[in-house]
Amino acid sequence: KNQVEQSPQSLIILEGKNCTLQCNYTVSPFSNLRWYKQDTGRGPVSLTIMTFSENTKSNGRYTATLDADTKQSSLHITASQLSDSASYICVVSGSGAGSYQLTFGKGTKLSVIP
Amino acid sequence: GAGVSQSPSNKVTEKGKDVELRCDPISGHTALYWYRQSLGQGLEFLIYFQGNSAPDKSGLPSDRFSAERTGGSVSTLTIQRTQQEDSAVYLCASSLGRGALNLNQPQHFGDGTRLSIL
Repeated sequence: KNQVEQSPQSLIILEGKNCTLQCNYTVSPFSNLRWYKQDTGRGPVSLTIMTFSENTKSNGRYTATLDADTKQSSLHITASQLSDSASYICVVSGSGAGSYQLTFGKGTKLSVIP
Repeated sequence: GAGVSQSPSNKVTEKGKDVELRCDPISGHTALYWYRQSLGQGLEFLIYFQGNSAPDKSGLPSDRFSAERTGGSVSTLTIQRTQQEDSAVYLCASSLGRGALNLNQPQHFGDGTRLSIL
């Protein structure tokens, strides 16, 4: 069964600090891995999409890494801001028929405090 | 607007009533998805529309759920005889899709409809 596990479940950090969120997946065959940011009461917003051949991708202060061999990804946030407080969702897409059926993690709830 | 629009943003109804949720995708997006997000859970796939192809309804949890997409644009998700376990946020997303899909395209989500069944 395709699964995406994220850790930690929640995290509190001080403004200005860095943090790293983890994602492990068992989706096979693999097509791409996405990180989304979801603010409270809003829909998820795409941060990065990485295919099998990519092992890092940045979007401003967000840097995602992918190790397709170990089926692990991380999202690193640099110099956190209060506006980074949100849930971060790891999403994996398989390939082949039905591959549009993405597998979503439950998210990591990040709180950035002053 | 330029984004995915969903209405209503909130819906409170009594158990047993029917509800209809609406999604306006981004213009030109041929792929449209409905998801359900329950508290503390990951997004659950419900249904997928791609152009004029038959929709993939494999994620619909029961025959009380149905969805349609008229003219390849606006979609409605209908829940009949609502139950308390239907309470959740229903999210709609759209993306570019060409032929068999462009799988590396991002999905653009609406802000969802928060459904509460009393």
